[in-house]
Amino acid sequence: IAGITQAPTSQILAAGRRMTLRCTQDMRHNAMYWYRQDLGLGLRLIHYSNTAGTTGKGEVPDGYSVSRANTDDFPLTLASAVPSQTSVYFCASSASGNTDTQYFGPGTRLTVL
Amino acid sequence: GQNIDQPTEMTATEGAIVQINCTYQTSGFNGLFWYQQHAGEAPTFLSYNVLDGLEEKGRFSSFLSRSKGYSYLLLKELQMKDSASYLCAVMDSNYQLIWGAGTKLIIKP
Repeated sequence: IAGITQAPTSQILAAGRRMTLRCTQDMRHNAMYWYRQDLGLGLRLIHYSNTAGTTGKGEVPDGYSVSRANTDDFPLTLASAVPSQTSVYFCASSASGNTDTQYFGPGTRLTVL
Repeated sequence: GQNIDQPTEMTATEGAIVQINCTYQTSGFNGLFWYQQHAGEAPTFLSYNVLDGLEEKGRFSSFLSRSKGYSYLLLKELQMKDSASYLCAVMDSNYQLIWGAGTKLIIKP
């Protein structure tokens, strides 16, 4: 089934630990995105990639890093997790990095204690 | 700064019509999106407006006025399954989506 998968579905993490959230899409979309969603706030862009091999910073990039080694995968890494990074993380993709519709993965619920 | 405003919560009755408003102030404009998000699930695409006017898609319609920085989503013949949050997002001059906090729509029988 075509779409976007994310792993893990949920995770509880001790502060200071390193964590990588995985995202894979099979739609051959060029652009991919990472958002966080917090109660009472709109989705906020963390990092994006318009094509394999390139990445860019979004609105809230501090404490996060990404890589885009190929078209399908776009992992998000928290080098040293802090409680303020407790959130629901959504990966999304679009055909290109302009006005194309973004399609979302099911999300990862992360709790940092 | 960039800002998207929409009501936090609305209540409507099954079978009725509801209009969810969205006002925006952004750096540039490359279109406005509406997404639906059921609790605990991912946002799913509903509509995209880049020109002024009304776009109709089944029970859902979306309107845009660029001069007023205003859009609305109109849902007709409401069904219980329409209970969800509705997210308004504007694509800015950098082709990044700026999101509103969402409107939680509660449908009562």
